[in-house]
Amino acid sequence: DVKVTQSSRYLVKRTGEKVFLECVQDMDHENMFWYRQDPGLGLRLIYFSYDVKMKEKGDIPEGYSVSREKKERFSLILESASTNQTSMYLCASSPGGGSEQYFGPGTRLTVT
Amino acid sequence: GENVEQHPSTLSVQEGDSAVIKCTYSDSASNYFPWYKQELGKGPQLIIDIRSNVGEKKDQRIAVTLNKTAKHFSLHITETQPEDSAVYFCAAARDAGGTSYGKLTFGQGTILTVHP
Repeated sequence: DVKVTQSSRYLVKRTGEKVFLECVQDMDHENMFWYRQDPGLGLRLIYFSYDVKMKEKGDIPEGYSVSREKKERFSLILESASTNQTSMYLCASSPGGGSEQYFGPGTRLTVT
Repeated sequence: GENVEQHPSTLSVQEGDSAVIKCTYSDSASNYFPWYKQELGKGPQLIIDIRSNVGEKKDQRIAVTLNKTAKHFSLHITETQPEDSAVYFCAAARDAGGTSYGKLTFGQGTILTVHP
């Protein structure tokens, strides 16, 4: 079974803090994605990566950055957390040439 | 870019009834349409998908239909059971290849509640 794990299920941070969300997949997938999920808005793509050290902006990249130093690991960074970044963050991966995405369980981030 | 609209936002049915969720998309180049189910406390999981060369696909109690001309697709669940209660998301994409990388654009989600 494909497994996508995220470093934390729940996280509480203060405004202005730097926040790291980690995602690891164990299926040697080329593509990895970060989404945020908000009620009534569905899943919105923040960033994705199709190879090590490669990244592309999604639909809502402002206030976020990403890092992919190893194939299995994709990190989302909030440089200076703000209250409007309080959300559920979901990581996903997919094989190169494949469209099915496999999701992690999510990290619920609260910024106070 | 692609835009996907999903309706209804909430759906409540009695056990044994059918449930239908509808989505429309805007990009005529989209050719891959998956449906994901998200149970409480979990990430979304693919339950069925359809590609644009097919009009309908079934898997036991679930089916998806696609109308390319009208640019809409629907999820049908028959004989609903309480364990079908979850949030359902539709999505659209150009199939992975070239520079698309299988990026999905999701609908807003439907909260389905099946009452015993």
